[in-house]
This record gives sequence, structure tokens and C-alpha cells, in this order.
Amino acid sequence: DAKTTQPPSMDCAEGRAANLPCNHSTISGNEYVYWYRQIHSQGPQYIIHGLKNNETNEMASLIITEDRKSSTLILPHATLRDTAVYYCIVGNTDKLIFGTGTRLQVFP
Amino acid sequence: GAVVSQHPSWVICKSGTSVKIECRSLDFQATTMFWYRQFPKQSLMLMATSNEGSKATYEQGVEKDKFLINHASLTLSTLTVTSAHPEDSSFYICSASAGGRDTGELFFGEGSRLTVL
Repeated sequence: DAKTTQPPSMDCAEGRAANLPCNHSTISGNEYVYWYRQIHSQGPQYIIHGLKNNETNEMASLIITEDRKSSTLILPHATLRDTAVYYCIVGNTDKLIFGTGTRLQVFP
Repeated sequence: GAVVSQHPSWVICKSGTSVKIECRSLDFQATTMFWYRQFPKQSLMLMATSNEGSKATYEQGVEKDKFLINHASLTLSTLTVTSAHPEDSSFYICSASAGGRDTGELFFGEGSRLTVL
């Protein structure tokens, strides 16, 4: 079973920041937090991952709480092309177990 | 970046026939590949883990005789849906790992949509 809880859907205005929350209260000390997204009828795309520290790359920022029981993915300036299902996954191997994800709809 | 390619991207077949789907890592050697299945409006469900040169490990509830997996080389894994039926119609996705990577990024194929008539 997936170890994460995400809201089923969110909306975001184009150009605004999209903040996607994820709860992972049972995360183990050596498990990472991964974020992937899936645009309709495509394979998942890696976004970012982290262990304890906040992380940032060209796509997004990942904020992990100090107790590591939750995290937030931030898309700083959402575009229409960011409309997708976003999956938050915890683990420490390449065997990724997907939960139900958050369907993000970016509107004009 | 690393690329994983699947072929075919879509296939339509008659009930009772077998269908083979290929997953290739184009610019790296994949010691492990994973096969997922995704039904409409649902999440990805892991079917099996494929290790080069050894038998695949299937998740609970996945019929190994129905979904044959072969990982004969470090760049190719195949999934064969045997005696396909309409309920096998789904989106099949593979991912590949080079092992020992530092980036944390796992690479996924584009998916293969199977429709069984």
C-alpha cells in the first residue's frame, strides 16, 4: 500500500504558485520523498526528491517538514502545461509504489 | 538525460492472441526494470520487477503465466500478455534503473496502450 496521502485534486491559476501537499507520517529514517507527475496518456516524469533538506531544481521546490511527516511540492509559476497528476512517493529503492496522486488543473 | 523507450506505443489485438511489449533503455544499462499497469482514471499498479538474467519477481495477485517477462539483456525487457482478453486492456508502463545511481531519478517509458477486442 502507498504510504502517502494527497488531496485528490487542486486548481491553480496560470502564473501563480502551485503548492501540493503530501502526508507521509509513517516514513522511515532512510526513505526519500519523491515527486513524479503524469501528463495524460504519458509515462511518469521525475520532478524532484529529497531526504531531509529542502530541495530546489529547475522544475520545482520541495519543502520537507522537520519531522519529515509531510512535504510540499511547489511549482513557482504554474503554466497550462503543468496540468497533470502529481504523485508523492516515499521509499529507498527503485521500486516505486504509486498512490492516487493529486490531479492539478491549471486554468488561464 | 537517460531515455527509456517502449514499443509499440499502442496495439489492438483480438481476444485469445498474445501481445509482446518491449522496454528499452537507450543510453544506459538497466540492471532492473519494472512493469506497471494503469487502468483509466486509476494510479499505476506495479506488476513485477525484472532483473537482467534472472526470473522476474511478481507482485501479489499478478499471474506470472499470464504476463511473461523476459530481461535477457541490460537494455531490453519484454512483457508478453498471453491469451489476452478484454479485461487485459490497459496502459502498460515500464521503468528502468541503472542501479547505484545518485540522482534518485527513475526513468519511465512512454507507455503502451493495449486494447483487446
